[in-house]
Amino acid sequence: TQLLEQSPQFLSIQEGENLTVYCNSSSVFSSLQWYRQEPGEGPVLLVTVVTGGEVKKLKRLTFQFGDARKDSSLHITAAQPGDTGLYLCAGVGPSNTGKLIFGQGTTLQVKP
Amino acid sequence: EPEVTQTPSHQVTQMGQEVILRCVPISNHLYFYWYRQILGQKVEFLVSFYNNEISEKSEIFDDQFSVERPDGSNFTLKIRSTKLEDSAMYFCASIAGARAEAFFGQGTRLTVV
Repeated sequence: TQLLEQSPQFLSIQEGENLTVYCNSSSVFSSLQWYRQEPGEGPVLLVTVVTGGEVKKLKRLTFQFGDARKDSSLHITAAQPGDTGLYLCAGVGPSNTGKLIFGQGTTLQVKP
Repeated sequence: EPEVTQTPSHQVTQMGQEVILRCVPISNHLYFYWYRQILGQKVEFLVSFYNNEISEKSEIFDDQFSVERPDGSNFTLKIRSTKLEDSAMYFCASIAGARAEAFFGQGTRLTVV
């Protein structure tokens, strides 16, 4: 069974600080996705990383896929209150069905 | 922008009753999914559906659950006899291809009392 361990589960920081969220597995994933979920809504895709070692940037967010495609990280630079939310990593499973395996999520609170 | 829509947004039902959760996936998508998220827990895969049949299901998706795509646009999840532990947010998702971006609906909050 493929599992994704996401850490930390909760993070409360001041505006302007940097932070990193980690997503780790003992299994290899063909690709890994990061989502953001607002209360009462479905997850919304932020980025997909596919190649080992790949780095993608989305404004102040930097996503990295590990060389072995077993882990990923999300780094936010100079966090703002608008970044507050639940961040989820999800790996695309080995079957060809497109099934996603989610981590537990990281709840981020950025205080002004 | 295309979106996945789910109805109802909230459903309260008595234990033992049947419920049907409805989803309208994005029209040109080929793969359809149901996920659930129990309060405070992670999003869990229930079932995937492709070419009018189940392509994969999890251990959670037992005989009490079924899915249908009755008319080429709606995609439904039926729970035959609800239990208290079925209370959760249920999300429908669809993708255009097996490696493509997943679009999620806003979810149905199911409360079993």
